Amino acid sequence: NAGVTQTPKFQVLKTGQSMTLQCAQDMNHEYMSWYRQDPGMGLRLIHYSVGAGITDQGEVPNGYNVSRSTTEDFPLRLLSAAPSQTSVYFCASRSQRTGSYQPQHFGDGTRLSIL
Amino acid sequence: KQEVTQIPAALSVPEGENLVLNCSFTDSAIYNLQWFRQDPGKGLTSLLLIQSSQREQTSGRLNASLDKSSGRSTLYIAASQPGDSATYLCAPTSRGSNYKLTFGKGTLLTVNP
Repeated sequence: NAGVTQTPKFQVLKTGQSMTLQCAQDMNHEYMSWYRQDPGMGLRLIHYSVGAGITDQGEVPNGYNVSRSTTEDFPLRLLSAAPSQTSVYFCASRSQRTGSYQPQHFGDGTRLSIL
Repeated sequence: KQEVTQIPAALSVPEGENLVLNCSFTDSAIYNLQWFRQDPGKGLTSLLLIQSSQREQTSGRLNASLDKSSGRSTLYIAASQPGDSATYLCAPTSRGSNYKLTFGKGTLLTVNP
């Protein structure tokens, strides 16, 4: 059981370039989300999805796009990378099927540097 | 807006000590609170989940308590080991937020052999 898989693990971009951070989970979880983690800031929610075809903004959505065409995948797109987007990005998922709240499962992160 | 504070920011203890990590939050209208562990260069691992109706939750040497009315949670680690060295994060889930977590900045724990 792979859990939450993020690719790539590391990436260096130039300002203005675009790229997609991939996230896949094999647990059939409905809820998926993207966070960024910056020194001294804690984790902040970028976008989230409660199911295929449904996405919503989190705390810091500007500069990022998401889509959810399947239950398994939740890619995060940077359309025009900026140095302020240098960060560690985490994808997470959890089940919403049961009556009680279930813990979130996190991937190992993508370390992104924008030059 | 929910704000989460974790004290201390860093803690260094000798092996075998019992220790307490503190978490406070400003909005007491929460569904639950989670404690996570993060190892360097890794993602987050969920340690304990306390529902808003519970007072505490235990897993092995870990015990988490929740006082929702005062906006506080503590994580107690018994008989600490070097393998417990990591950053510990707390995150409440606020009501009306579509189950979004708000994270504290964490406590960096070092357990010395």
